[in-house]
Amino acid sequence: QSALTQPASVSGSPGQSITMSCTGTSSDVGGYNYVSWYQQHPGKAPKLMIYDVSKRPSGVSNRFSGSKSGNTASLTISGLQAEDEADYHCSSYTTSTTLVFGGGTKLTVL
Amino acid sequence: EVQLVESGGGLIQPGGSLRLSCAASGFTVSSNYMSWVRQAPGKGLEWVSVIYNDGSTNYADSVKGRFTISRDNSKNTLYLQMNSLRAEDTAVYYCAKVGWLRFIDYWGQGTLVTVSS
Repeated sequence: QSALTQPASVSGSPGQSITMSCTGTSSDVGGYNYVSWYQQHPGKAPKLMIYDVSKRPSGVSNRFSGSKSGNTASLTISGLQAEDEADYHCSSYTTSTTLVFGGGTKLTVL
Repeated sequence: EVQLVESGGGLIQPGGSLRLSCAASGFTVSSNYMSWVRQAPGKGLEWVSVIYNDGSTNYADSVKGRFTISRDNSKNTLYLQMNSLRAEDTAVYYCAKVGWLRFIDYWGQGTLVTVSS
């Protein structure tokens, strides 16, 4: 199972919106509405931000939203804040009944 | 409150073995899907293994035949037995509770495994 493809980095200024992508195949992202996104600050464990493409767990800000089109999923963060600076990882359920992750995207808040 | 606490990481020589443990609280390990996910230094996350609530297991190709996931229901603890370790197995290993098989809703703090001579 090949890893999902994410851009290495994205950046934005406080208050702006950014979108990052996560591209897979019809065996994972495109085949199921089971994409999740995780935020990871340096030295910390990942934290679930989005599941099932666009659902937010309790306690996650509504500034975070997810979507999907074909084999590509996207995470949008609106009203960027300094504390949003982190690595973001996408994941998808696969036809092998396992999970596959992307390489991660480093978000820099300018 | 759900908590996952890993232990057992450390420095090990290539070809050696190590067993990681993950003590869970706030839920029942045997009633849930549980996974190990690793992260090599400066790299992304990599799914390693899963044990389903029926006790069946699955592994990433990179560890198949070398790693074994298991659980002790009486101790509510998850394990990862790692044999024939290689330098490329060096990573922080996270214990994870899988929500409905399709996302990870809780993560442990991670334990570092370094394979080096």
